[in-house]
Amino acid sequence: GAGVSQSPSNKVTEKGKDVELRCDPISGHTALYWYRQSLGQGLEFLIYFQGNSAPDKSGLPSDRFSAERTGGSVSTLTIQRTQQEDSAVYLCASSSEGARGANVLTFGAGSRLTVL
Amino acid sequence: AQSVSQHNHHVILSEAASLELGCNYSYGGTVNLFWYVQYPGQHLQLLLKYFSGDPLVKGIKGFEAEFIKSKFSFNLRKPSVQWSDTAEYFCAVNTGGFKTIFGAGTRLFVKA
Repeated sequence: GAGVSQSPSNKVTEKGKDVELRCDPISGHTALYWYRQSLGQGLEFLIYFQGNSAPDKSGLPSDRFSAERTGGSVSTLTIQRTQQEDSAVYLCASSSEGARGANVLTFGAGSRLTVL
Repeated sequence: AQSVSQHNHHVILSEAASLELGCNYSYGGTVNLFWYVQYPGQHLQLLLKYFSGDPLVKGIKGFEAEFIKSKFSFNLRKPSVQWSDTAEYFCAVNTGGFKTIFGAGTRLFVKA
């Protein structure tokens, strides 16, 4: 597609429920990223996928968070047993492969999660 | 682990004032540096980037940034801000792989 698409744009859930957030990257982009944007916390790196390599999961805050990327394209971020502190905007980005890390991220509009 | 510090969380300026937003990173090796901007109601987008070469880089809308390796800094500047520059600005660093780390952001409000 023309840009990075994320769904849902807004999600309100009750504490303890599971949620799934979807990201459809730009066609041809090999790298896909998830970030979390909380008030006053900036953009917190969660995970990235690059081609067929094992994902870098070093930013996932707990084992309640997981992500997968199917067929090298669409990615789903799953949060199990949501807590109120999970409330944030979850941003997805994608990039083409740049030499030596010289890759520019294109962001989606984000999924705003509110846990009651 | 690398980190990025942005010194100002909130900045309020009048139109035509000069702007400088501080950014420092912690990493001793080769870095790629970025400033991204998020205008109200819009996606995060690239403002400018430094990969190599001239340490003074120019971006969109009259913004520029200077990479000072000895100070581990990549400050963003604009000589004369406009009301339309009201946005949140994020400094980011990449140390050669795919992982890009962002700072906490600076919210700029420009009074008309």
